[in-house]
Amino acid sequence: DAKTTQPPSMDCAEGRAANLPCNHSTISGNEYVYWYRQIHSQGPQYIIHGLKNNETNEMASLIITEDRKSSTLILPHATLRDTAVYYCIVRPWNSGNTPLVFGKGTRLSVIA
Amino acid sequence: EPEVTQTPSHQVTQMGQEVILRCVPISNHLYFYWYRQILGQKVEFLVSFYNNEISEKSEIFDDQFSVERPDGSNFTLKIRSTKLEDSAMYFCASSASGSQPEAFFGQGTRLTVV
Repeated sequence: DAKTTQPPSMDCAEGRAANLPCNHSTISGNEYVYWYRQIHSQGPQYIIHGLKNNETNEMASLIITEDRKSSTLILPHATLRDTAVYYCIVRPWNSGNTPLVFGKGTRLSVIA
Repeated sequence: EPEVTQTPSHQVTQMGQEVILRCVPISNHLYFYWYRQILGQKVEFLVSFYNNEISEKSEIFDDQFSVERPDGSNFTLKIRSTKLEDSAMYFCASSASGSQPEAFFGQGTRLTVV
């Protein structure tokens, strides 16, 4: 089972920041936080990952609390194309063999 | 940009028939995976493959399933005798290494068993 808890759905106005929370209170010291998204029935798409420092890339920013028990994915300027299911996953570092365990995720709807 | 390619995009098969789903992972990636997603449900892990052998598999991956990397580029999933409940989207994924474990997924094969 997934080790994370996410709200089932969220709405966001187009052009505004989308802030997607994730709770991972049982995260272990060697586990990273990963975010993926799935647009309609396409294959999941990697977004970002982090251990304890905040991370930013061209798609999003990841804010991890100091105690690492929760995180927030930020899409700074959401567009209609960001409508998708967003998955927060924890997984050990250096763990190519360890599968990603997908929960139900958060269904983000970006509204014009 | 390199991507994972899956073929066919859609396959219809009769119950009891064998199917082979094909994937071309990203070149120089070392880890390979199959996942499936039954309509309206979660993405479920099936199997991971590294160094020419299965490294992990789920309870779903029973004796009806097998994987193979026949020629160093393709990665296949075979279902020997399909059941109605095998109808799902099947996603192949690959990742570069243990220290770069982010996985990149293909667009999937929709398998319909009739």
